[in-house]
Amino acid sequence: EAGVTQFPSHSVIEKGQTVTLRCDPISGHDNLYWYRRVMGKEIKFLLHFVKESKQDESGMPNNRFLAERTGGTYSTLKVQPAELEDSGVYFCASSQGGSIFTDTQYFGPGTRLTVL
Amino acid sequence: GQNIDQPTEMTATEGAIVQINCTYQTSGFNGLFWYQQHAGEAPTFLSYNVLDGLEEKGRFSSFLSRSKGYSYLLLKELQMKDSASYLCAVPGAGSYQLTFGKGTKLSVIP
Repeated sequence: EAGVTQFPSHSVIEKGQTVTLRCDPISGHDNLYWYRRVMGKEIKFLLHFVKESKQDESGMPNNRFLAERTGGTYSTLKVQPAELEDSGVYFCASSQGGSIFTDTQYFGPGTRLTVL
Repeated sequence: GQNIDQPTEMTATEGAIVQINCTYQTSGFNGLFWYQQHAGEAPTFLSYNVLDGLEEKGRFSSFLSRSKGYSYLLLKELQMKDSASYLCAVPGAGSYQLTFGKGTKLSVIP
């Protein structure tokens, strides 16, 4: 069974440009999450989709970040315009859903974003 | 709010046993996860504890004490490939979002 995949693995852009990250969850997983790790800090939650609906977007830093999950399959995270502090590793995770006590999140390898 | 503390780095010898501790403060407890992350790779699920006690899975075991807000990951018969970061994480109260610790970087030396 294929795991969570993310594209691209690395992205280097200049301040003010736009970048779109993509995540393909494990097939059949209704829950999809975005997290971010900036250098020296812990992994932090950004948002949570259940199918195509945003369940929780309390971790989104500001309105320069836009996440979508049209059709409830893959998801994209767009940063526009990118700022220096957006540099970090963006992780996607997916889970089957159901009880919070049995719901394990499986992570992708991440996209390393560098804003110059 | 939620807070997780774990040691930043640890070093252990191949073949030995190492214990990685994690203390947490959370407003509502829905279990505790351990993940392993090799450099540049995805965090990989290791274990989930929701009840007090020890859960054993091969060379890896995880312990939880809810009254003390404490967990540890025990790695036995250490191998060089166990060199990685180990992340402790808890879900939010009524929420699926995970709050992570900064991770413990384990170096296994010959």
